[in-house]
Amino acid sequence: KAGVTQTPRYLIKTRGQQVTLSCSPISGHRSVSWYQQTPGQGLQFLFEYFSETQRNKGNFPGRFSGRQFSNSRSEMNVSTLELGDSALYLCASSPRGAGGSGELFFGEGSRLTVL
Amino acid sequence: GESVGLHLPTLSVQEGDNSIINCAYSNSASDYFIWYKQESGKGPQFIIDIRSNMDKRQGQRVTVLLNKTVKHLSLQIAATQPGDSAVYFCAENIGYGGSQGNLIFGKGTKLSVKP
Repeated sequence: KAGVTQTPRYLIKTRGQQVTLSCSPISGHRSVSWYQQTPGQGLQFLFEYFSETQRNKGNFPGRFSGRQFSNSRSEMNVSTLELGDSALYLCASSPRGAGGSGELFFGEGSRLTVL
Repeated sequence: GESVGLHLPTLSVQEGDNSIINCAYSNSASDYFIWYKQESGKGPQFIIDIRSNMDKRQGQRVTVLLNKTVKHLSLQIAATQPGDSAVYFCAENIGYGGSQGNLIFGKGTKLSVKP
């Protein structure tokens, strides 16, 4: 069974540009969450999608957005990139719907560098 | 405020010894806690979880202890092996409306195992 797949794995952008990251969850998983990981702030929750609906959102500016498609694949977008957006962006999927345990299966992440 | 933190940023142990990684949380409403392991270049990997109605849970070579009185969580690794070298994160689930993707992560403890 394939794990969570994130693309691209590495990318470099310049300030002011925008970026789109993609995540394919484990087959059958309907919940997809996104996290930002930086050395200074650690792992921070961005948002969660379930059945194409954003179910929860972290404390990030509106430049960070996401969506989920009917096949559960998800994308996140960051517009008007800032140097501080440089981070590892992790996607995680989960097999369960509302309630239940919180076991998340993470991808290997997309490392974004903003110059 | 809500926070999940770790007492020690680094831990060095001898191969074969037991390791104990500690974590403090502040949200008494949290009812689910998880430990993740993150190896270099990889996404976090689920180790073990525990619900707030339990105080101990055992897995293969790992035990999680929960002390709700002092809001403390610990991960015990028995007979630590070189392959256990990684950064360990505790996380709490504070999702509402059944959301399970919103985890608050601690800063992480780097475990180094000396051969």
